Amino acid sequence: GESVGLHLPTLSVQEGDNSIINCAYSNSASDYFIWYKQESGKGPQFIIDIRSNMDKRQGQRVTVLLNKTVKHLSLQIAATQPGDSAVYFCAENMGGGATNKLIFGTGTLLAVQP
Amino acid sequence: DTGVSQDPRHKITKRGQNVTFRCDPISEHNRLYWYRQTLGQGPEFLTYFQNEAQLEKSRLLSDRFSAERPKGSFSTLEIQRTEQGDSAMYLCASSPIRGAWGETQYFGPGTRLLVL
Repeated sequence: GESVGLHLPTLSVQEGDNSIINCAYSNSASDYFIWYKQESGKGPQFIIDIRSNMDKRQGQRVTVLLNKTVKHLSLQIAATQPGDSAVYFCAENMGGGATNKLIFGTGTLLAVQP
Repeated sequence: DTGVSQDPRHKITKRGQNVTFRCDPISEHNRLYWYRQTLGQGPEFLTYFQNEAQLEKSRLLSDRFSAERPKGSFSTLEIQRTEQGDSAMYLCASSPIRGAWGETQYFGPGTRLLVL
């Protein structure tokens, strides 16, 4: 895979707009997916998860969409606020007893402009 | 606060020294994970425990790294003969046994290691 290094993909949005963050996952055998938010100097914070038998799940202001055909996840944040500014990671888990480790994507920096 | 805790939060050491980090998981969680994160990257899996048993180790976990969870509660991660390339954020996470919604891993704040 590609290494982004220090140059994270960045999404810049205006406060109040909706944000969509995309993620391509690597393994078709993965059956569980999680979105995490990570603020500078902190550990990843759980946002929302989804199992492979679903294609959509909604939380408070957030929606996760799963497209297994193209191995694609997206995170939609409604009415984005300055406090949403952070790096967002998707993570996949193959489960099924094969392994319990999470494999993280590259991350997207969300910058919310007031 | 009943989340995952890690100690210390920051560690600066000289190359060649040994360091040890501690992780206290959420109390009812059976599984405990260690990850490493370098700047601009996502966390990378190192190892995980179910209760006191270490069930999986990444190839990233060289012979200089050792992790323990002696009583199935807190865990320690030791790095011997540290190298500058070990500088990173070391993250601990915990989860319950897989339930109806998969296995959400909850992360601690991390220990940031700088090797001079």
